[in-house]
Amino acid sequence: QVQLVQSGAEVKKPGASVKVSCKTSGYRFTGHHIHWVRQAPGEGLEWMGWINPNNGGTTLAQKFQGRVTMTSDTSISTAYMELKGLTSDDMAFYYCASGILLTGAGVFDSWGQGTLVTVSS
Amino acid sequence: DVVLTQTPLSSPVTLGQPASLSCRSSQSLEHSDGNTYLSWLQQRPGQPPRLLIYKSSTRVSGVPDRFNGSGAGTDFTLKISRVEADDVGIYYCMQATQFPRTFGQGTKVEI
Repeated sequence: QVQLVQSGAEVKKPGASVKVSCKTSGYRFTGHHIHWVRQAPGEGLEWMGWINPNNGGTTLAQKFQGRVTMTSDTSISTAYMELKGLTSDDMAFYYCASGILLTGAGVFDSWGQGTLVTVSS
Repeated sequence: DVVLTQTPLSSPVTLGQPASLSCRSSQSLEHSDGNTYLSWLQQRPGQPPRLLIYKSSTRVSGVPDRFNGSGAGTDFTLKISRVEADDVGIYYCMQATQFPRTFGQGTKVEI
């Protein structure tokens, strides 16, 4: 079955960078965009952008341009999201998500379990 | 960006009674291809979101039929016909018609 398994929780200092991984299985990795969504504790969901693992192309929300890099490694069916210049506002759960079972429906039907990024001095 | 406004923010419900959640968009969500890319997700405490409804009214396979989505244009509704204890959580609407994808702020359903 489709699985998206993310890397573990991270604790970073202000100004540092964090790189979160999303290892996928159960489907053709290059066939579906991987999106990243974040959620500050107790807050709502915020779409960050997507990567097309087929060609490495990315599209980011304007807010994250210049600070976020999304990459993928097709040899291990894994996507990555790196966020630089961390501040306390970046403290959140980071999710990878995709529309794998419902391609073309504009949905996220498959989600990773989330990775908590804590920013603390 | 498209703004999705959900009401109410909190919905105390009684087990076995219906619940109605609203999502209003700042722009029409009808895409030029004729589809309306409005979906509903459920997030239980401590879990990632789970897709319930897509294209406004299509229920995902395996989702109980007490969940029903409706609406078009800018006004959308998720109805739970008879709330069960398992339905506690936060419900989000999300649009994928316009770039960037945006979410409503969520409605908390609590018993």
